[in-house]
Amino acid sequence: EVQLVESGGGLIQPGGSLRLSCAASGFAVRSNYMNWVRQAPGKGLEWVSVIYSGGSTDYADSVKGRFTISRDSSKNTVYLQMNSLRAEDTAIYYCARYFDAFDAWGQGTMVTVSS
Amino acid sequence: EIVLTQSPGTLSLSPGERATLSCRASQTVRSNYLAWYQQKPGQAPRLLIYDASNRATGIPDRFSGSASGTDFTVTISRLEPEDFAVYYCQQYGSSPITFGQGTRLEIK
Repeated sequence: EVQLVESGGGLIQPGGSLRLSCAASGFAVRSNYMNWVRQAPGKGLEWVSVIYSGGSTDYADSVKGRFTISRDSSKNTVYLQMNSLRAEDTAIYYCARYFDAFDAWGQGTMVTVSS
Repeated sequence: EIVLTQSPGTLSLSPGERATLSCRASQTVRSNYLAWYQQKPGQAPRLLIYDASNRATGIPDRFSGSASGTDFTVTISRLEPEDFAVYYCQQYGSSPITFGQGTRLEIK
């Protein structure tokens, strides 16, 4: 069974850093395109970042230069390193696999940026 | 960036009725790489339709998707109580991947 479990969210002050993790089971992250998608409270979905099977990455303009996506194939886990956090980064962060669109999602982890 | 505009913002219908939700793209979506998701409160989105018209695994056949140029539609033939939720379209044909703002399907 395909499963994604995010962790690492929490309350962080503006300008701070946080690393989110997405542990996968039932498939290999190294063989898939893995994404992060966020949803601000009461708002819609916003794509954040992708790491392709070949290892290249892409980012939304809103996070470029501040966020870094990576993976550890030995742990079958994808990460999102978030630096220079802003209030507008407050959201639930979902990990999602791309396979026929985003066919598998985690339950999400909440990130709150506030002083 | 491809902007997706969903309509209506809110749709009020009764169980058993037919629902038609629309998504218009600001430019051509490559290979009709357009998906539809359903999201219920407190839950992650669930994939319903991919490549504009293909049902995802386990999705009932009352859900169908279609495309005409830059206009995309998802139709629910007969609404069940569990279908009332927020629906999002998404294009994944070009970067950045973008989502529509959502349509809320509520019980009338």
